[in-house]
Amino acid sequence: DIQMTQSPSSLSASVGDRVTITCRASQGINNYLTWFQQKPGKAPKSLIYGASSLQSGVPSKFSGSGSGTDFTLTISSLQPEDVATYYCQQYGSYPLTFGGGTKVEIK
Amino acid sequence: EVHLVESGGGLVQPGESLILSCAASGFTFSDHYMDWVRQAPGKGLEWVGRVRKKANSYTTEYAASVKGRFIISRDDSKSSLYLQMNSLKTEDTAVYYCARTEVVGPHYYFDYWGQGTLLTVSS
Repeated sequence: DIQMTQSPSSLSASVGDRVTITCRASQGINNYLTWFQQKPGKAPKSLIYGASSLQSGVPSKFSGSGSGTDFTLTISSLQPEDVATYYCQQYGSYPLTFGGGTKVEIK
Repeated sequence: EVHLVESGGGLVQPGESLILSCAASGFTFSDHYMDWVRQAPGKGLEWVGRVRKKANSYTTEYAASVKGRFIISRDDSKSSLYLQMNSLKTEDTAVYYCARTEVVGPHYYFDYWGQGTLLTVSS
């Protein structure tokens, strides 16, 4: 199975800060990676697929990059509505696997 | 607008069986692979399994943790997805989400999720 490791597990940043979350795959997955946002008590929401393609309707302050084993999700200017847990997930091979999540809070 | 609505969760005892359902609307259900993903209380997301569409013979994939105990099926005439869960264990306690798989070129990714249904397995 491909293990997905996210870092940090949590972060606290100020409104307006640029925030970067990393995700590392235990083996190469090309660019078969998605990022999800999950707010407390809510279902996950798709942000990015193909490591860098923005899902329809998602604000451009979210961006993704990477290929192979190392990936990043960036929020260009953190806002209160971005408080959530963010997950990466690989779909390069079965079983599909998720990272452990990064909890983002406002300082 | 795409809607996925799960139902059927509740409290069951270890060893029992239960069927979860996911009612889909707002899109052509038969055109999509569909998946189940679960989330134990306070934990991260875990993929449960997938059922492909008719053109792919409705074949399925499962996580090792549920293989042989869970069965995913679909009824395209009812735009519904099902998760038959047998021999339930306490570690199956989770919110169960259904998710739609979208295909863009080589990318098969979850683009819509239901709101989830809670299964509690406890004696």
